This record gives sequence, C-alpha cells and structure tokens, in this order.
Amino acid sequence: ETGVTQTPRHLVMGMTNKKSLKCEQHLGHNAMYWYKQSAKKPLELMFVYNFKEQTENNSVPSRFSPECPNSSHLFLHLHTLQPEDSALYLCASSQDLGRPLHFGDGTRLSIL
Amino acid sequence: DAKTTQPNSMESNEEEPVHLPCNHSTISGTDYIHWYRQLPSQGPEYVIHGLTSNVNNRMASLAIAEDRKSSTLILHRATLRDAAVYYCILRDRTDYGGSQGNLIFGKGTKLSVKP
Repeated sequence: ETGVTQTPRHLVMGMTNKKSLKCEQHLGHNAMYWYKQSAKKPLELMFVYNFKEQTENNSVPSRFSPECPNSSHLFLHLHTLQPEDSALYLCASSQDLGRPLHFGDGTRLSIL
Repeated sequence: DAKTTQPNSMESNEEEPVHLPCNHSTISGTDYIHWYRQLPSQGPEYVIHGLTSNVNNRMASLAIAEDRKSSTLILHRATLRDAAVYYCILRDRTDYGGSQGNLIFGKGTKLSVKP
C-alpha cells in the first residue's frame, strides 16, 4: 500500500477515444505529479500541481489534459492519442514541493 | 540534461553489502542528492537523501564525498527484494517546483541480487 492509488491499472484505447486516468492520495499531501515511463526510457515529468495550481507543464502535447480539483485528486484526461503515447503513467504526491515523492503503481496505457 | 552518472547495471550476492556509486561532478552548493528505487511492476520509492553529511535510515546509508562530486548508496545486507533500478538524482533546494528543483530521473543502475 503506497498511499497513492491509481485507476485503472490497465487501459487499452483506440486513437479516437477519450478516457481519463485517476489518481487519489489520502496522505494529506499538497503537491501532485504526473510522470510518463516509456519502454527503455527514463521517467519523464509531465505536470506538477501545488495546492491545486499547476506549477509545471513540461512541454506536454495538448492531447494530455490534467485536472486537479483538490489536493487529494489528480486526473489526466486523454484524447486523440498516438501509438507512441503507450506507456506507464505514474502519479505521485509529496507533502510540499521539496519533500520526497510517494508514487502510485501506475496505469499501463496501450494505444491501438 | 542528466546531471548524474551511474553504472547501467550491477550484481550482488544475497546477504552481502552493496555499494551503488553516483558521480555528480557539476553539483551546485544548493543541490540535494536524492536516491529512489523502482522495483519491477511498481512505481519508484524514496530511499534517502542528503546534502553534505552522511545519512542513515532504515533502508540504506548515503555516503557523500567531501567535495560532493560523488556519492554512494549503501545497502548493508542485500536481499532478493532489493533487486530494482536505483536512481541518483540532484534537486536544487532553491528551485522546488522549478526545472532544477523537480525530480528528474535518469536511467539509473539496475541491481541484480543473486541467491
């Protein structure tokens, strides 16, 4: 139990579908993050939220749209994805921006 | 840009100590040294971090060179469960939330533990 829960664990979707990834933490943390981990590549930071405000968008294509309605929940809305977007998407949270990150186990996304 | 250099892979025997090296010759005075590990099929897990002095916790020890240009993560007795990819990462403590203060992963060291 990591304290950070991601759903679904696996997702297969077509390029024209719209889906959302969900991340939830009940650790009382104020910062939340999305990372992408592709095969054979290092983890890539996508978005950072601090107190529900986005502080970092690491040049992510607009087909990925994050949403942070409160400090406990983070979503990643997906639309018109490409095959190269198939990857493991990891959510993390931290007490504050400078504190250690707690990661979920990720959503394995496959784009057909 | 990767600011740390780690070996791609290392092997160890169960019950023996493991020393995982990390070079960071361009480290700045405000960079903390962080270590995370990622077990198979899991998200990364925080291990330890330090600034100048050596650090110990229940998981590992971190030995930092006097000039801070290198560090070593020490697992005192490796178990099969320690087989993972270990990441050494620099974070600028004056830029949390910014490009130098975010947790940016490199390729890490894949540690294999033999029974």
